[in-house]
Amino acid sequence: DTAVSQTPKYLVTQMGNDKSIKCEQNLGHDTMYWYKQDSKKFLKIMFSYNNKELIINETVPNRFSPKSPDKAHLNLHINSLELGDSAVYFCASSQGRTSKETQYFGPGTRLLVL
Amino acid sequence: GENVEQHPSTLSVQEGDSAVIKCTYSDSASNYFPWYKQELGKGPQLIIDIRSNVGEKKDQRIAVTLNKTAKHFSLHITETQPEDSAVYFCAASGGTALIFGKGTTLSVSS
Repeated sequence: DTAVSQTPKYLVTQMGNDKSIKCEQNLGHDTMYWYKQDSKKFLKIMFSYNNKELIINETVPNRFSPKSPDKAHLNLHINSLELGDSAVYFCASSQGRTSKETQYFGPGTRLLVL
Repeated sequence: GENVEQHPSTLSVQEGDSAVIKCTYSDSASNYFPWYKQELGKGPQLIIDIRSNVGEKKDQRIAVTLNKTAKHFSLHITETQPEDSAVYFCAASGGTALIFGKGTTLSVSS
């Protein structure tokens, strides 16, 4: 039973394209997150949703747009992909509204923009 | 905002030795400090956490200490094993975002 799943696992695409990454959690958690991990392994929060409501929106280009159709799903759509968007994107979920609960991470989506 | 510094960036030990990773944070309002382990090709996984009302917490070979006055916390792994080899991240939160350190790559050689 996968707790937090992401699709696709790998994504290779050309600059300028639009792509989406999907995330689903079956833990019954209220809060979901998107993180970006760069080539130096630095993990940085991008967005957080609680029961479909956006609660954290860090300084991320407008080309990135999260969407939460229900509390078990949080998708990430990226427009006009740039070389600098190449990274591993992790989805996570936690119970409760704050970031003081255990976050469970998905396996990551490795995005390579050529 | 919060800033978390983590040292060292790489750490190599012999199997059976102890390993210590140290972190400092800047926001005195932070009161939750988790540690995550990330194995190659996988997502980070929580290994231990500590809250500000506790100075030390232990779980088998892993312990975490917190000094709120000095704003630093440390991860201690005793009797290291090859399967402890991974990237370890400290993090801090005051309730909004979880801010991560830059990670420590631990290598345990047998």
